[in-house]
Amino acid sequence: EAGVVQSPRYKIIEKKQPVAFWCNPISGHNTLYWYLQNLGQGPELLIRYENEEAVDDSQLPKDRFSAERLKGVDSTLKIQPAELGDSAVYLCASSLVGGWDEQFFGPGTRLTVL
Amino acid sequence: QKEVEQNSGPLSVPEGAIASLNCTYSDRGSQSFFWYRQYSGKSPELIMFIYSNGDKEDGRFTAQLNKASQYVSLLIRDSQPSDSATYLCAVNMDLRKRDDKIIFGKGTRLHILP
Repeated sequence: EAGVVQSPRYKIIEKKQPVAFWCNPISGHNTLYWYLQNLGQGPELLIRYENEEAVDDSQLPKDRFSAERLKGVDSTLKIQPAELGDSAVYLCASSLVGGWDEQFFGPGTRLTVL
Repeated sequence: QKEVEQNSGPLSVPEGAIASLNCTYSDRGSQSFFWYRQYSGKSPELIMFIYSNGDKEDGRFTAQLNKASQYVSLLIRDSQPSDSATYLCAVNMDLRKRDDKIIFGKGTRLHILP
């Protein structure tokens, strides 16, 4: 069974540039999460989808971050414009039936904003 | 404010000894508790989950939950050098409500001494 797929794995951009991350969850997993993880910190939830509905986006900085999950499968997280403080690892995870279930994490995208 | 607290470590344990990792949480309504292991540069992977008070054993790992004290721990018996990693505690409320949060602690770095 294929795991959670993310791309790109690494991204280096200049500040004020836009950037997008893509995630393909495990087949059949209804719940999809985007996390941000800084060095030495735990993952911080940005947004959680149940199918195509964003059920928790309270921690998503909506002035510059946006996300979508078309048809309840793949998801894209976008930052526009990027700031220096956005440098971090962006993790995508999926689970079968929601937050009480095991989350499977993708390899992450390491973003560096110069 | 819902919080999950862990000692950041590093926790150094001799090979073959028992490693004890602790986590406290602030929300009394929390229902699901997870321990994830994260190797340096890798994504988190689930080690154990526990929902009920008491102990839950899986191989060399034992999760302990005390809801009255708002405390969850992970014991690793016969510690091996391959157990050296960061251990993340994650706490989640019953997602049948929609206003909960999935909160990860900052993680405890465990170093097994050969």
